[in-house]
Formats: sequence, C-alpha cells, structure tokens
Amino acid sequence: EADIYQTPRYLVIGTGKKITLECSQTMGHDKMYWYQQDPGMELHLIHYSYGVNSTEKGDLSSESTVSRIRTEHFPLTLESARPSHTSQYLCASRRQGGNTIYFGEGSWLTVV
Amino acid sequence: AQSVTQLDSHVSVSEGTPVLLRCNYSSSYSPSLFWYVQHPNKGLQLLLKYTSAATLVKGINGFEAEFKKSETSFHLTKPSAHMSDAAEYFCVVSDQFDTGKLIFGQGTTLQVKP
Repeated sequence: EADIYQTPRYLVIGTGKKITLECSQTMGHDKMYWYQQDPGMELHLIHYSYGVNSTEKGDLSSESTVSRIRTEHFPLTLESARPSHTSQYLCASRRQGGNTIYFGEGSWLTVV
Repeated sequence: AQSVTQLDSHVSVSEGTPVLLRCNYSSSYSPSLFWYVQHPNKGLQLLLKYTSAATLVKGINGFEAEFKKSETSFHLTKPSAHMSDAAEYFCVVSDQFDTGKLIFGQGTTLQVKP
C-alpha cells in the first residue's frame, strides 16, 4: 500500500479563485511528480522535484506552480483558476534509484 | 524521444473471453515499460512492468504482457476477462534518465459485456 496522499479529492471552485492541491508522502522519497489528466485523455507531466528546494516544469505547459520546502510535501497552486484548469491532477513519488512509482488517488478539480 | 501508441481507443469483449490491448512504443534506448489501470474515479494502479529482465511479464489480476523488441510492442493480454476488468488501461514508457517521468499512451477503454 502506497503512503502518498492527496487532498482534496474533489473540488469545485469559481473562476478567479486561488487553490492549492496538497500532496504528501511518508516514504521519504526524494523525487516527486505532478501529472495532469484531462477527461478521457492521457496523463502529462507538469511538474517534478528531485528534492527540497528543487522544482522543474514538465513536458506539458501549466499555469500552476509548485514548491518543495519539505521532503514529504509537494503542493501545487493555481493563483487564479479558470475553467480550462478543470482536470484531474495526480501526484507521484519514487525513491532515489528506485523504479517503482507510487501514485496518489488524484484530485479532481472543476472550475466553474 | 520516447513515445507510446495504443492502437485501440476502445475494446469490447465478452466475459470469459480473452483480452488483448495493443501498445507500440518508440525509444532510442532500452526502455522501461508499464501498464497501468484506472478504474472510474480511482487513482492509477500498476498492473505490471518490464525493466529489461524477462520479456514475458506477469502482473496482477491475471494480466501479462510480452516485450517484443523486433516489433517494438508491449501488448497486454488476459486469458479470460472478468466484469471487474472494465476500466481504462494506459501503456507507459519511462524517461531514459528518470523513471519517474512517465510518457503515457492515449489509453484504451476496456468494456466487458456479460
């Protein structure tokens, strides 16, 4: 059982609101990732981190930002949500040198 | 650059019949390949993975996949479908330098009819 948690699981918010999606893992993994999945589509990497104070943008351009102040915590923030941000966001992690990726259960965001 | 193509967006089978979900990949190196399953409103679950060991990989729930380098394929099979297998299936290849950076196929929706 993977120890990676995402909150909230489901969120409906209005346009222009600021939101933060939380992701925490208790496995001490250095590497963490955020993926975005539009309904019915494949997942795309939007952010990743190789450790504290390390963040990089992924293959898919995203208006979201991330931070990595603590090893276990990798929150994703949208400063001003728009309907185009409606999507599922999946957080993942793995340990240095490992090839098993652990996924959270996802956060479904709807912007109205 | 790596890429993954799932040849069928939708597959429909009858319960008890075999399942075949097709996947071709493109990679300039020896890739790590995965199959993930996503049930409605659930997170991703790893079915199986290939990481340059045995070419026939067995996964959970009776699924298996065969890595064929000559055909650049990694098709997912199951001898007998069960109703609970109905879900979205993703074929995935990992980045050469970071196995956590995954490239997903477009997904195949598996429908299982009673």
